[in-house]
Amino acid sequence: KNEVEQSPQNLTAQEGEFITINCSYSVGISALHWLQQHPGGGIVSLFMLSSGKKKHGRLIATINIQEKHSSLHITASHPRDSAVYICAVRYSGGGADGLTFGKGTHLIIQP
Amino acid sequence: NAGVTQTPKFQVLKTGQSMTLQCAQDMNHEYMSWYRQDPGMGLRLIHYSVGAGITDQGEVPNGYNVSRSTTEDFPLRLLSAAPSQTSVYFCASSHAAGEGTGELFFGEGSRLTVL
Repeated sequence: KNEVEQSPQNLTAQEGEFITINCSYSVGISALHWLQQHPGGGIVSLFMLSSGKKKHGRLIATINIQEKHSSLHITASHPRDSAVYICAVRYSGGGADGLTFGKGTHLIIQP
Repeated sequence: NAGVTQTPKFQVLKTGQSMTLQCAQDMNHEYMSWYRQDPGMGLRLIHYSVGAGITDQGEVPNGYNVSRSTTEDFPLRLLSAAPSQTSVYFCASSHAAGEGTGELFFGEGSRLTVL
């Protein structure tokens, strides 16, 4: 079974710090998603990537297809960024049979 | 634009009872899926559909049934609830590969407890 590995599993940082969350996968993919889940809340899509880099506000997502690795960066972190960040990939040829999810990175930003 | 509407948000069942989790989307998405989320594990696929009248099993389908009679609706049925089905369930939808942005839309989740 193809795995999706996220690191770190848990991260506590101070407000204002630059945050990096990593995601590695094992074989070729057609798309990679970064998702955000607040405690007790629903899941929100942040980015979908197939190559390169995307930016939305203070969030930046990058992907390196050759290294099978993606990173999610948060600049000028804020307590409201505290959430679980989930990486999910759609493997090439996977079609509609769902995604493979990482276990998530639990981020806490302290004031 | 309602997005993905999932009901109920909370449900408590007794072992052996049956129930249906409802999921509806108003974005004309082809793909719809059901996932369960358990502590320490990633989201796991239960069943999915690529369009009306077409469904297939995911990673953990046992004890669940689905149907897709319309593009909008994708209900998940628990046939005879078991304590192992205590979990948080999410419905998700997206356009088919190559259509639209491929962005995923999730329902708010349904927390199910089976006693």
